[in-house]
Amino acid sequence: AQTIHQWPVAEIKAVGSPLSLGCTIKGKSSPNLYWYWQATGGTLQQLFYSITVGQVESVVQLNLSASRPKDDQFILSTEKLLLSHSGFYLCAWGQGANERLFFGHGTKLSVL
Amino acid sequence: QQQVRQSPQSLTVWEGETAILNCSYEDSTFDYFPWYWQFPRESPALLIAIRPVSNKKEDGRFTIFFNKREKKLSLHITDSQPGDSATYFCAASPYNQGKLIFGQGTKLSIKP
Repeated sequence: AQTIHQWPVAEIKAVGSPLSLGCTIKGKSSPNLYWYWQATGGTLQQLFYSITVGQVESVVQLNLSASRPKDDQFILSTEKLLLSHSGFYLCAWGQGANERLFFGHGTKLSVL
Repeated sequence: QQQVRQSPQSLTVWEGETAILNCSYEDSTFDYFPWYWQFPRESPALLIAIRPVSNKKEDGRFTIFFNKREKKLSLHITDSQPGDSATYFCAASPYNQGKLIFGQGTKLSIKP
């Protein structure tokens, strides 16, 4: 069975500090990987997607970057956090375009 | 601009009634329309999806009605149960792209 693990579960960070969030998928080869951001009570905003190792497409510009160093790993990062980065970050995988997405449990980020 | 709009923002119905959630879109290249539901403190999960070759998709008490000409769709939940209380997101994806655009969500509450 496929599993998706996100880390950390929650983070409290200061404005201007760096951030790195991770996501690992097990049990699925060459998945499409996605990062989404959700404000409290808000919609899901797609940030990045990747269809293969080393390739990442940006969907919106939010002073964030993403990388896919391994087939089963997706990293979201920034060198300088903003207050507006607070929210819920969700990693998801899908087998192909226009297919079901499976979301991880998410990381809650509070920027103070 | 690619947008997905949902209405109402929130909806309350009595147990046993039919809840109707609406969704509209602008981009005619969208060809996959999933609905996701999200319970408090949980990640979204796929509920039901439709492609434009069909104008109706049923799964138990959940039915999507799709009107391609008007670029509208709706989710009908018959015999609503308290356990259906959640936020429902309509989403849309252009053909064969890694983008899935979510609407703002409808918060559904079922009163027993």
